[in-house]
Amino acid sequence: GQQVMQIPQYQHVQEGEDFTTYCNSSTTLSNIQWYKQRPGGHPVFLIQLVKSGEVKKQKRLTFQFGEAKKNSSLHITATQTTDVGTYFCAGAQGGSEKLVFGKGTKLTVNP
Amino acid sequence: GAVVSQHPSRVICKSGTSVKIECRSLDFQATTMFWYRQFPKQSLMLMATSNEGSKATYEQGVEKDKFLINHASLTLSTLTVTSAHPEDSSFYICSARRLWTANTEAFFGQGTRLTVV
Repeated sequence: GQQVMQIPQYQHVQEGEDFTTYCNSSTTLSNIQWYKQRPGGHPVFLIQLVKSGEVKKQKRLTFQFGEAKKNSSLHITATQTTDVGTYFCAGAQGGSEKLVFGKGTKLTVNP
Repeated sequence: GAVVSQHPSRVICKSGTSVKIECRSLDFQATTMFWYRQFPKQSLMLMATSNEGSKATYEQGVEKDKFLINHASLTLSTLTVTSAHPEDSSFYICSARRLWTANTEAFFGQGTRLTVV
């Protein structure tokens, strides 16, 4: 079945450093979504990417969708302590409502 | 944004008893809801897809007789953990997506922390 791999599993940075998490699917995706889960909370939607090669920005966050629609990345510039949490990618195949989640990357930021 | 409400947020039950968890979409209709299980420091594992008016679709390895799912209306799905055991202790989360629009975000409930003693 479809698998979504996400690396790294953990990332610890100093405040102000950049952070990137990568997501790779075993199959071509119709879209990929990114979620953030704060400690003790539930996943909250960040963004959806649909087009091949798409790049979207949200303030310090940059999301990319690969040309082959099988990989994606989330990059945070100049991390802040408010960025702490686990970031999940989730991929969907064409015609399916089911989202397959990556294992997530837990980000900790040292002030 | 759309709201999905999940209840209860925490429950402690005795081994052998059953627990029901409710998931409601408050301001939109959802023909499909999803139930996930999350172990500490791990990802979301899809357990089953709940379809309004029909049987749920379970993922491989998930016991349908143990995790009963009912989706009686377009705004409510329930997950019942039957004859719970300590190994069922986990964080259960539901999510829903808007009717007839597959390529949209999933709205998650707040989750239910189940502890079986």
